[in-house]
Amino acid sequence: SQKIEQNSEALNIQEGKTATLTCNYTNYSPAYLQWYRQDPGRGPVFLLLIRENEKEKRKERLKVTFDTTLKQSLFHITASQPADSATYLCALDVAAGNKLTFGGGTRVLVKP
Amino acid sequence: DAGITQSPRHKVTETGTPVTLRCHQTENHRYMYWYRQDPGHGLRLIHYSYGVKDTDKGEVSDGYSVSRSKTEDFLLTLESATSSQTSVYFCAISESGGAARNQPQHFGDGTRLSIL
Repeated sequence: SQKIEQNSEALNIQEGKTATLTCNYTNYSPAYLQWYRQDPGRGPVFLLLIRENEKEKRKERLKVTFDTTLKQSLFHITASQPADSATYLCALDVAAGNKLTFGGGTRVLVKP
Repeated sequence: DAGITQSPRHKVTETGTPVTLRCHQTENHRYMYWYRQDPGHGLRLIHYSYGVKDTDKGEVSDGYSVSRSKTEDFLLTLESATSSQTSVYFCAISESGGAARNQPQHFGDGTRLSIL
């Protein structure tokens, strides 16, 4: 069966350091992968999309990599700030209709 | 922020009662989705719509029905609510699907539904 795994344990990190989150998947061949941020009591907010033919994508302090051989995406937050504290979700396209399958998310806590 | 409004934001009801959740968008996006989010399961797709009166099932559609009579409104109905349907429900929209699959989804802030 299809499966997406994100580290369910919270990631505690010191302000200014780089946070690295992992998204692993099995039995998929996604054309693209998306990352979202979710704050408590709010809906997810889109951050980045990376296509299967792209190795790396950047947006400000965020960087995403996509390795279709390893079936893995890494999400980096550089120079992390307390405001980056949130849950981060990865999502893969499943089929036409822009249907996405989401991982369970990883909570990040950035300490001052 | 994308113009998505979910109502109600909170609801407590009893087992066996019908419940309807509403999602309203002002973006004129073609695609609309209903998800539920539960601890340990993440976001799971219930139903989605690819146009007015065009809907299809998602991963966890049993016990749910949807309707879309206008572009801007997507309704999720629990015909006879059960305690297992206690969850947080999110509506999302996207600009397109089909061949152009790589569009981000924009989410509402959810409805917290408790079924006692």
